[in-house]
Amino acid sequence: DSGVTQTPKHLITATGQRVTLRCSPRSGDLSVYWYQQSLDQGLQFLIHYYNGEERAKGNILERFSAQQFPDLHSELNLSSLELGDSALYFCASSVAVSPGNTIYFGEGSWLTVV
Amino acid sequence: AQSVTQLDSHVSVSEGTPVLLRCNYSSSYSPSLFWYVQHPNKGLQLLLKYTSAATLVKGINGFEAEFKKSETSFHLTKPSAHMSDAAEYFCVVSDARDTGRRALTFGSGTRLQVQP
Repeated sequence: DSGVTQTPKHLITATGQRVTLRCSPRSGDLSVYWYQQSLDQGLQFLIHYYNGEERAKGNILERFSAQQFPDLHSELNLSSLELGDSALYFCASSVAVSPGNTIYFGEGSWLTVV
Repeated sequence: AQSVTQLDSHVSVSEGTPVLLRCNYSSSYSPSLFWYVQHPNKGLQLLLKYTSAATLVKGINGFEAEFKKSETSFHLTKPSAHMSDAAEYFCVVSDARDTGRRALTFGSGTRLQVQP
């Protein structure tokens, strides 16, 4: 158990809908990251928050947004869902932002868009 | 920009034989390198990491990796494969320039099969 908690574990929704994925980082970790894993794209970095502030954006679509709250949990909002958004979404956390800091991953949220 | 190339998409070994998963990286700065493992329907688990200390890094479950700067490689090895090692393995790089806007760059993964 990495200590990173993601909910829900599985989600099935229809095209055009909006969903929210939630992440609780490990106790004491200030950095939260979101990644998307799909068969055709592999593991893609979406966005990074540190202590409530956005620090880096990766290949995140404009239909997607995220935030990190004062209690350090984070939410990833996916809207106007398309079939291609079906993927495993990982949240990860680390203590800070040093390149050597270990990043711990949650077990992911499986999103299926039908 | 940093990048990672995992040279084999699939590796198949027999139980009890050595494992070698190959990884080459590209980084303009001093890199930190990681190997993560993903078992089916599970999250990513850190196996080991290199952060400019000893070049031979020992990880969990008997895995180790050697950082070779001259070859820009960070291959993962294990002397004797176990059935439970069957999983997807990811080589990951993070370089020193990325401080403040941290993002890991993942390789495409190597699926390890272990035959009985």
